[in-house]
Amino acid sequence: AQKVTQAQTEISVVEKEDVTLDCVYETRDTTYYLFWYKQPPSGELVFLIRRNSFDEQNEISGRYSWNFQKSTSSFNFTITASQVVDSAVYFCALSEARAAGNKLTFGGGTRVLVKP
Amino acid sequence: GAVVSQHPSRVICKSGTSVKIECRSLDFQATTMFWYRQFPKKSLMLMATSNEGSKATYEQGVEKDKFLINHASLTLSTLTVTSAHPEDSSFYICSAKASGRVSDTQYFGPGTRLTVL
Repeated sequence: AQKVTQAQTEISVVEKEDVTLDCVYETRDTTYYLFWYKQPPSGELVFLIRRNSFDEQNEISGRYSWNFQKSTSSFNFTITASQVVDSAVYFCALSEARAAGNKLTFGGGTRVLVKP
Repeated sequence: GAVVSQHPSRVICKSGTSVKIECRSLDFQATTMFWYRQFPKKSLMLMATSNEGSKATYEQGVEKDKFLINHASLTLSTLTVTSAHPEDSSFYICSAKASGRVSDTQYFGPGTRLTVL
């Protein structure tokens, strides 16, 4: 069965510090997709990135970067030079090709608090 | 990204009444929609998957007679909480994807906060 673990429940940093969110997943499928979503206090989940299991290239988008390592089944997310607006709960999620309806399995989430 | 709306954003109702929540994909046709429930400071729990024109598939432990789901068109799915009780109070979130492909991203609505008195 698929499983996503976000070991850090809460991280507190001061503005401009970097913060890395860990995500470890379990799957028996060879074809799968990994996602990161941001949930600000308003509640809406905002899509950040999707990565397929065959593409291990790291990705950078502005202050966000992602490190996908199949060897360790990890898909970590780094926010560089954090800002107060980055305060939110971040969810890592997994979708397997063989899962009925291709449903998402979410990790428990990591709450990031960026203090001014 | 694609836009998904939910209505209402907040609802307060009395115990025993039924509440309907709408989920709409505004700029794409959603063959598949998902309904989640989220308790405070917890992760999202999938309740059911609905495909347009067919019956919803419920996750284990979710009462299908309690949580009625209808996906009547490619842009609208509804969740009706029947005979609501205080324990049904929660944050309900829908998501939609354009096709059945695993590669497609799920886009989420803004959520509906239900409070049952």
